[in-house]
Amino acid sequence: QITLKESGPTLVKPTQTLTLTCTVSGFSLSTSGEAVAWIRQPPGKALEWLALIYWDDDKRYSASLKTRLTITKDTSKNQVVLTMTNMDPTDTATYYCAHRPLAAAGYYFDYWGQGTLVTVSS
Amino acid sequence: QSALTQPASVSGSLGQSITISCTGTGSDVGAYNYVSWYQQHPGKVPKLMIYNVSNRPSGVSNRFSGSKSGNTASLTISGLQAEDEAYYFCSSYSITSTLVVFGGGTKLTVL
Repeated sequence: QITLKESGPTLVKPTQTLTLTCTVSGFSLSTSGEAVAWIRQPPGKALEWLALIYWDDDKRYSASLKTRLTITKDTSKNQVVLTMTNMDPTDTATYYCAHRPLAAAGYYFDYWGQGTLVTVSS
Repeated sequence: QSALTQPASVSGSLGQSITISCTGTGSDVGAYNYVSWYQQHPGKVPKLMIYNVSNRPSGVSNRFSGSKSGNTASLTISGLQAEDEAYYFCSSYSITSTLVVFGGGTKLTVL
């Protein structure tokens, strides 16, 4: 059974860097075809895709946030880490990590973490 | 502003059918058959309902169906049930550098 769980700070100050960790189980981040994404949702608003990392360490980023995002993985710890620099109150959102089905055609996400609400405020 | 356009709200009576549209461009919805739909109840995690335009994951009711024409995808829910009341988000692969785009979401009210 695939599970994902996000962890990280619930409150960050403006200009700080956010680091979120997604711990996965039920699959290996080194298995060919696997990929994990980060997606966020401001309160009462739409989903926004942020970044995705593949099993082979290839990475993709949202064009609008690319300069602020870094996605990495630690296969030995079954973790995917997202860092976002220069946080702003508009970055207040629930941050989800999500699993892309193995070798899927297209980009969709079948398993999601519970999400972690990050508030940006001084 | 979301990349894909959805109606803010739709409503239907119990047992009826509704359709939610999702309009994009030739760089996303119209580019490939890689449109997906998610259901989200308030305070809950999004749930995949449709992938690659018209495919249902195991366990999703066959009352949910998807289609696409040009740059517009659609989600149809037939035989509306009370538990269908939720927000629905469409998503698409994009050939731009932003790999995945979402719609703004549609609130479905079951009357």
